[in-house]
Amino acid sequence: QKEVEQDPGPLSVPEGAIVSLNCTYSNSAFQYFMWYRQYSRKGPELLMYTYSSGNKEDGRFTAQVDKSSKYISLFIRDSQPSDSATYLCAMIRGTYKYIFGTGTRLKVLA
Amino acid sequence: SQTIHQWPATLVQPVGSPLSLECTVEGTSNPNLYWYRQAAGRGLQLLFYSVGIGQISSEVPQNLSASRPQDRQFILSSKKLLLSDSGFYLCAHGRSNEKLFFGSGTQLSVL
Repeated sequence: QKEVEQDPGPLSVPEGAIVSLNCTYSNSAFQYFMWYRQYSRKGPELLMYTYSSGNKEDGRFTAQVDKSSKYISLFIRDSQPSDSATYLCAMIRGTYKYIFGTGTRLKVLA
Repeated sequence: SQTIHQWPATLVQPVGSPLSLECTVEGTSNPNLYWYRQAAGRGLQLLFYSVGIGQISSEVPQNLSASRPQDRQFILSSKKLLLSDSGFYLCAHGRSNEKLFFGSGTQLSVL
């Protein structure tokens, strides 16, 4: 079993829709959680960073962490074609090791 | 502000040739530095990380090596490239349990 599971998609939604992206994890020791956006042939860009259960909001993005279920989500409101990218979840094992999901490819259709 | 420079953006190399990819970080001191590889359609595979000058931890036995000759410089090398070394290589920096920031990546094609 992988430490972090993420549906690869692709996920296609119409412009303006609310997008829900999810990851599950198996290691209850994970305490820090991140979401990245990656455009094709570019480095991942950090969108959200959180270390506690609950919700964290930043503009159109909301990160949700449920440690009891080992489940994290990223919600994108009012999705735009420019949001079309691959979204990666990441968690920190120990102090130095960042573990990534395989990424979900999102397409927002105009 | 912190910036991370990674070059070249694209590299085409023949099998058996050497490799040197360089990454430098500005605006921070004593960062943790990382090399990741991303195969097409797959996630990020951690190759090496370093918590200080001369301190390198290898995650996967392979044809590659890493060095950190200066505090903010991280180099990925190979003496003889294999076809399986092709991929998208990413350098990253961060601090313990904090945010991780990536460079723009190098697309390596070994032919």
